[in-house]
Amino acid sequence: EAGVVQSPRYKIIEKKQPVAFWCNPISGHNTLYWYRQNLGQGPELLIRYENEEAVDDSQLPKDRFSAERLKGVDSTLKIQPAELGDSAVYLCASSLDLERGHEQYFGPGTRLTVT
Amino acid sequence: AQRVTQPEKLLSVFKGAPVELKCNYSYSGSPELFWYVQYSRQRLQLLLRHISRESIKGFTADLNKGETSFHLKKPFAQEEDSAMYYCALSGRAAGNKLTFGGGTRVLVKP
Repeated sequence: EAGVVQSPRYKIIEKKQPVAFWCNPISGHNTLYWYRQNLGQGPELLIRYENEEAVDDSQLPKDRFSAERLKGVDSTLKIQPAELGDSAVYLCASSLDLERGHEQYFGPGTRLTVT
Repeated sequence: AQRVTQPEKLLSVFKGAPVELKCNYSYSGSPELFWYVQYSRQRLQLLLRHISRESIKGFTADLNKGETSFHLKKPFAQEEDSAMYYCALSGRAAGNKLTFGGGTRVLVKP
């Protein structure tokens, strides 16, 4: 079992450019989460999906961030345009379902640097 | 709003010494508390949960609702315990969403 897969692992872009992150959750996990982790801080939830439906996107900056989970499996998180303050590690996690949302399995993360 | 506070950014102890990581929370409802750990070059993973009342890798944590705390303890630290530790809070009132603290880095010196 590969666990949660994320790509790319590292990304360096200039400000105002677009960027996209991809996540493949653990097979059979219905719930998928995207977090942002700034340096020296804990992960902060951006959005979570139950199957294809975004059940909580209140923390997602919708002016520049978007996400999708087509077919209820893989997910993509996009930033357009990126700003300097978006530099962070973006984590994807999955859990069996919302009820077991406390037991999340995390991917390795994508470290984004915006210059 | 729910909040988790870990007052120590760094804890440095010698091997064999006790270690205690502090965690305080605020939550209106019945909380569920967890400790997650991230070892060097590894993923963030669940260490233990208060409901289980279990000891994992020698670590224990007791939920104190009166003091709104969930401190993590180990009587004899080992070098392999060096890692980042995150306290996390969840509960039905928050839709089972996890809220993480800022993390504490533990360094166990030989």
